[in-house]
Amino acid sequence: EPEVTQTPSHQVTQMGQEVILRCVPISNHLYFYWYRQILGQKVEFLVSFYNNEISEKSEIFDDQFSVERPDGSNFTLKIRSTKLEDSAMYFCASKGWEKLFFGSGTQLSVL
Amino acid sequence: EDQVTQSPEALRLQEGESSSLNCSYTVSGLRGLFWYRQDPGKGPEFLFTLYSAGEEKEKERLKATLTKKESFLHITAPKPEDSATYLCAVQEGETSGSRLTFGEGTQLTVNP
Repeated sequence: EPEVTQTPSHQVTQMGQEVILRCVPISNHLYFYWYRQILGQKVEFLVSFYNNEISEKSEIFDDQFSVERPDGSNFTLKIRSTKLEDSAMYFCASKGWEKLFFGSGTQLSVL
Repeated sequence: EDQVTQSPEALRLQEGESSSLNCSYTVSGLRGLFWYRQDPGKGPEFLFTLYSAGEEKEKERLKATLTKKESFLHITAPKPEDSATYLCAVQEGETSGSRLTFGEGTQLTVNP
């Protein structure tokens, strides 16, 4: 089964610092996503990306967040100035015809 | 108002004791209903997508069914390795790339 790959698996940062989370989606998929899961809570949608632009975003995805697909394979989520409440597991996902696959996540801890 | 409600929150079964997990949803136009398995500290693992009422899909000991208001995940003769949190998510919207909205999950423990 093809996989969505995320790096790093863990990221510790100081409040106010910028972080970039990286993902390699499944190669023939067209839709790419970022979700997050705060410990003990449900998985929440952040943003979707299609045809090299944002197709949908949630109210969580404010001006501190941005996404890019800098080349044909990578997909990144940047948080410009991290806050304590940004601490969560961040999941990248990609979707083909029927199946939506998630990566194993990046655990972000903001101190 | 929650769009996706899963019950029970937690379920303990003995090995071999079959049961069902419920996912109730309230969306105006369901595009797809997704089931995932999530192990602690891991990403959701895709299980099934269901599209229309009456549809059923099976994989090993799992069978997912869909009605107009809810979906069931039936687990037949579970084994300890089936212990995980099972997540339900609905997709609505105009495109096949629309967001998924997740429920809280059902934490399943299967004792040997």
